Amino acid sequence: QKEVEQDPGPLSVPEGAIVSLNCTYSNSAFQYFMWYRQYSRKGPELLMYTYSSGNKEDGRFTAQVDKSSKYISLFIRDSQPSDSATYLCAMSAFGSSNTGKLIFGQGTTLQVKP
Amino acid sequence: DAGVTQSPTHLIKTRGQQVTLRCSPKSGHDTVSWYQQALGQGPQFIFQYYEEEERQRGNFPDRFSGHQFPNYSSELNVNALLLGDSALYLCASSLAGVNEQFFGPGTRLTVL
Repeated sequence: QKEVEQDPGPLSVPEGAIVSLNCTYSNSAFQYFMWYRQYSRKGPELLMYTYSSGNKEDGRFTAQVDKSSKYISLFIRDSQPSDSATYLCAMSAFGSSNTGKLIFGQGTTLQVKP
Repeated sequence: DAGVTQSPTHLIKTRGQQVTLRCSPKSGHDTVSWYQQALGQGPQFIFQYYEEEERQRGNFPDRFSGHQFPNYSSELNVNALLLGDSALYLCASSLAGVNEQFFGPGTRLTVL
């Protein structure tokens, strides 16, 4: 079993839809949770960074972390064709014995159709 | 403010050869991590460098080695290349004690 599970999709939605992307994980030591966006043949771009449980909002993006369920989500409101990309969740157990090695999900490919 | 830069952009090698990839971290960052991303997969952690030393290593063989220079830039070396080493190699930089990692555009390595 992988430490981080993410449905690869693809996920196709119409422009303006609300998109929900999710990851589950097995390592209860994870404390830091990130979402990256990766366009084809480019490096990942950091979208959201959260610590422990709770919600964080940034413009059209909302990240949620539920540590009790080992489940994280990214919501995209009013999705645009420019949001079409692969979304990667990542997490780490940062501390004295762990320097912040990121464990990634497989990535979910999102297509937003005009 | 320059972000993370990597060179070269693309590289084609044959089996058994050796390759060196380079990374310059984001201004102000002192920690560099390297990841390998196979097609259709998430990045996998290779190792991390801080203060010119390897601080943590993932499940990669000794054929993968690295170096960090006094100006915080870093190199990834891969010896005895295998077909399975074909991937996008990503460099990420961060500030020690802060977990946010910022990625460069990557180097796409093709091994024939």
